[in-house]
Amino acid sequence: GAGVSQSPSNKVTEKGKDVELRCDPISGHTALYWYRQRLGQGLEFLIYFQGNSAPDKSGLPSDRFSAERTGESVSTLTIQRTQQEDSAVYLCASSSRTGGRTDTQYFGPGTRLTVL
Amino acid sequence: GNSVTQMEGPVTLSEEAFLTINCTYTATGYPSLFWYVQYPGEGLQLLLKATKADDKGSNKGFEATYRKETTSFHLEKGSVQVSDSAVYFCALSSGSRLTFGEGTQLTVNP
Repeated sequence: GAGVSQSPSNKVTEKGKDVELRCDPISGHTALYWYRQRLGQGLEFLIYFQGNSAPDKSGLPSDRFSAERTGESVSTLTIQRTQQEDSAVYLCASSSRTGGRTDTQYFGPGTRLTVL
Repeated sequence: GNSVTQMEGPVTLSEEAFLTINCTYTATGYPSLFWYVQYPGEGLQLLLKATKADDKGSNKGFEATYRKETTSFHLEKGSVQVSDSAVYFCALSSGSRLTFGEGTQLTVNP
């Protein structure tokens, strides 16, 4: 079946502009995650959605970052007033259960964001 | 808080060599442990996982054993191939999020 998809695959923007990144999770997966991968570094957790529960936003680095999810489907990550340090690959993942510790997260191909 | 420390790279090996990539962790409770792999130009893929102490995860000739006493989850493969060239990430989950190490770049030469 289809995996996690993300769009766009690449985004180049100017400092100060807003960007919106999209994630389509695997159908039927209730949990959805956003991570950020800076060049040469590991992944940093940003935000987690599980069903209709309030999202865990504890990883968002500033109030310029926000994310929404419609039910158990598409999610969008919005970065307002982008800064050069926001340049990174933004990865989305989904899992089929309740976001418990044993769940396997399946990752999308990522969106490479470059802020000039 | 939780953290994962991985062996620094890059690692360069000849084909058929033995591979070890060290991974140690700090976590509260009883985390699950994972190895993810990122092949050139591709997304992150689960390689193997272990959910409790002494479990061994294995896949594609790779193995890792969950060692609670040493808080480790070292990745091993007896004979690497050129196609194993990739970046390998160790990760743990004690709840809803994954905590990743910084990744180890492996290059296997023919």
